[in-house]
Amino acid sequence: SQTIHQWPATLVQPVGSPLSLECTVEGTSNPNLYWYRQAAGRGLQLLFYSVGIGQISSEVPQNLSASRPQDRQFILSSKKLLLSDSGFYLCAWSPTKTDREPYEQYFGPGTRLTVT
Amino acid sequence: SQQGEEDPQALSIQEGENATMNCSYKTSINNLQWYRQNSGRGLVHLILIRSNEREKHSGRLRVTLDTSKKSSSLLITASRAADTASYFCATANTGFQKLVFGTGTRLLVSP
Repeated sequence: SQTIHQWPATLVQPVGSPLSLECTVEGTSNPNLYWYRQAAGRGLQLLFYSVGIGQISSEVPQNLSASRPQDRQFILSSKKLLLSDSGFYLCAWSPTKTDREPYEQYFGPGTRLTVT
Repeated sequence: SQQGEEDPQALSIQEGENATMNCSYKTSINNLQWYRQNSGRGLVHLILIRSNEREKHSGRLRVTLDTSKKSSSLLITASRAADTASYFCATANTGFQKLVFGTGTRLLVSP
């Protein structure tokens, strides 16, 4: 069965410090990968998605970046955090299908980031 | 940007009652999905309905889709305290699953 891991679970970082959040998926190959941010009491905002190694699409211009160094690894980074980067960060994966049938996404447990 | 708007924003009911949540969206879609989120946790997929479908059932869940009104509803029958969570609709307008999430409905089911 497939599982998705995120770490750390919680993080408190000062403004201006760097960030690295990691997401890994097990039990599947060539998944589509996604990073979302959720502000308190709000819906999810898609930040980045990836359809393959080294292929990253950005949805929202900001000081965050994403990388996919391995097939099942997705990393969210920042060189200098802003207060507005605080939030709940969720990684998700979905299977890659060639038949254009729709499919659901599977979410990790999330990382709670507080920038102070 | 968020396409879906859930209504109501919050819903409080007693165990055994039915809970109905609505979702409206703005553009044409390929499919619409409902997810559940327990406090501080990741989202869990509940049900997917394609744009050419009008109703779908899964256990105690019933989802309807009206593409002419660009709206969907999620009905949870005979609710339980364990159904307490936030519920989100998400839409995709292409075969590639780039989902756009709504703002969510917070459901509280009291014993």
